[in-house]
Amino acid sequence: GENVEQHPSTLSVQEGDSAVIKCTYSDSASNYFPWYKQELGKRPQLIIDIRSNVGEKKDQRIAVTLNKTAKHFSLHITETQPEDSAVYFCAAKPLPGGTSYGKLTFGQGTILTVHP
Amino acid sequence: EAGVVQSPRYKIIEKKQPVAFWCNPISGHNTLYWYLQNLGQGPELLIRYENEEAVDDSQLPKDRFSAERLKGVDSTLKIQPAELGDSAVYLCASSTGGASMNEQFFGPGTRLTVL
Repeated sequence: GENVEQHPSTLSVQEGDSAVIKCTYSDSASNYFPWYKQELGKRPQLIIDIRSNVGEKKDQRIAVTLNKTAKHFSLHITETQPEDSAVYFCAAKPLPGGTSYGKLTFGQGTILTVHP
Repeated sequence: EAGVVQSPRYKIIEKKQPVAFWCNPISGHNTLYWYLQNLGQGPELLIRYENEEAVDDSQLPKDRFSAERLKGVDSTLKIQPAELGDSAVYLCASSTGGASMNEQFFGPGTRLTVL
């Protein structure tokens, strides 16, 4: 099955700096890669996602890049703000047809702290 | 529009007792998921439903866990008997369009503590 590795496990930045979180996946059949933000005690919420036919996607201060050859994808947050502090999870989902079809496999999470 | 609803939000039980969690997905969402989230970890899929059919329950410990979605809407996840290691947050999620590349919306979760 799919295995998703996420780094770093913790990330501390100053307000205004950029933050980058990286994930690698093992299943070459994966073609959907969402990123979720989870604040303490709250539900995970989708912040951005990317599909395998796209190399990069941007939404205001958030961007995601995908390298299918190397099987890794990254989340980039620019001009960080204290309210960006949360746990961020990457995930991967395979194409239809395999035994893992439909299954979203999550990384271990990155605790991001943005200091004012 | 209401999001995914789960109850209870918190549950404390003694080991060997049974416990049940309830989930009401977003209206019109055919696909429903139950996840287990341990502290400091990402969610792990327990079971996925397409309407009332469990299409992926390979990660569900069937000796003590059971789930149902009788009418293809609400779902219940049960543990009987609970063990200390079952302490975790149980998240329910739902999405449209089968298991395609559609956003999964999560509920607030039920935090289970087994003493």
